[in-house]
Amino acid sequence: DAKTTQPPSMDCAEGRAANLPCNHSTISGNEYVYWYRQIHSQGPQYIIHGLKNNETNEMASLIITEDRKSSTLILPHATLRDTAVYYCIVRPDTGANSKLTFGKGITLSVRP
Amino acid sequence: NAGVMQNPRHLVRRRGQEARLRCSPMKGHSHVYWYRQLPEEGLKFMVYLQKENIIDESGMPKERFSAEFPKEGPSILRIQQVVRGDSAAYFCASSPKAETQYFGPGTRLLVL
Repeated sequence: DAKTTQPPSMDCAEGRAANLPCNHSTISGNEYVYWYRQIHSQGPQYIIHGLKNNETNEMASLIITEDRKSSTLILPHATLRDTAVYYCIVRPDTGANSKLTFGKGITLSVRP
Repeated sequence: NAGVMQNPRHLVRRRGQEARLRCSPMKGHSHVYWYRQLPEEGLKFMVYLQKENIIDESGMPKERFSAEFPKEGPSILRIQQVVRGDSAAYFCASSPKAETQYFGPGTRLLVL
């Protein structure tokens, strides 16, 4: 079972920031928070991951609370092409138990 | 650097036939993961392999399914005596050291 909970859906206006929340209250000290997205039925696309500190790359920013029990993925300027299912996943970064356990994710709809 | 490649992209089989799905990981990646997405369902882990070794097969059905990742060549997911319930999208992911996984475009299997 997934160790994360996400709202089923949300929407935002094109050009605005999309803030996608995720709860992972049982996260362990050696587990990272990963975000992937799946656009329509394509292969999942890696977005970003982090352990404790906030992270930023060309796609998004990841904000992790100090107690690490929740996080927020931020798409700073959402476009129509960002419409997808977004998955928040926790897992160890290395080792035999490195499989990804996908939950239902959150469906983001970006409206014109 | 080419991404993860999967072929064929679409595969049609009749009940009882065999299906062979191939996955070529990204250059330099020696870890391969297979996931299955049944229609209208989430992504489920099947198997994790390193070169010539199966590390975790906890998600593989006990019968008819097998996977390999030989020293040379692509990883192969083999489904013997396919049934209609095997119709799904099969995704392969690769990583360099059991770290961030990068997914291929998937193989859509349709069993008639």
